[in-house]
Amino acid sequence: DTAVSQTPKYLVTQMGNDKSIKCEQNLGHDTMYWYKQDSKKFLKIMFSYNNKELIINETVPNRFSPKSPDKAHLNLHINSLELGDSAVYFCASSQDLGGGTEAFFGQGTRLTVV
Amino acid sequence: SQKIEQNSEALNIQEGKTATLTCNYTNYSPAYLQWYRQDPGRGPVFLLLIRENEKEKRKERLKVTFDTTLKQSLFHITASQPADSATYLCALRWDYKLSFGAGTTVTVRA
Repeated sequence: DTAVSQTPKYLVTQMGNDKSIKCEQNLGHDTMYWYKQDSKKFLKIMFSYNNKELIINETVPNRFSPKSPDKAHLNLHINSLELGDSAVYFCASSQDLGGGTEAFFGQGTRLTVV
Repeated sequence: SQKIEQNSEALNIQEGKTATLTCNYTNYSPAYLQWYRQDPGRGPVFLLLIRENEKEKRKERLKVTFDTTLKQSLFHITASQPADSATYLCALRWDYKLSFGAGTTVTVRA
């Protein structure tokens, strides 16, 4: 049983399109995240959610809109896709926001904008 | 703002040797510091967590140290094996964010 699962694994789309990535965790965690990993492999946090509430928006463009219908799900919708959005997007979860809690990551979604 | 620096982008070592990776941070000293492993095409996987009042933590062939005076953590892989080849990331939490260093890619030659 996969702890953190995200779909799709690969996404190829044209500039200007709107797309969504779904994420679900079955660990009973309170906190979920979205990260972007660019071509240089740097893992940059985008959003933190705790109990469905947005905690951190790390200066992400408004075209990115996360939605958390419940604690187990955190979906990412991207409007008007740009070439620079091409990256691998990771969803993750942790028990809570405490520093002593580890994060569990999904397998990633490789987004390619052409 | 807090900055996390992992000194080496890449480390190539011979099988059986010890790999030592460095993670430095600026400003705020976290209560915990974490280390993750990432394989190509996969998400990071948690390895070890060390608390500020712990000088050293071990798990099998892995050892982590935490020096809050130097604002530094060292990550050691002893008796390295080709299967240890991966990117290793340090992470710490502040301002409700779990932030990562850029990672060090370790390649262990047989």
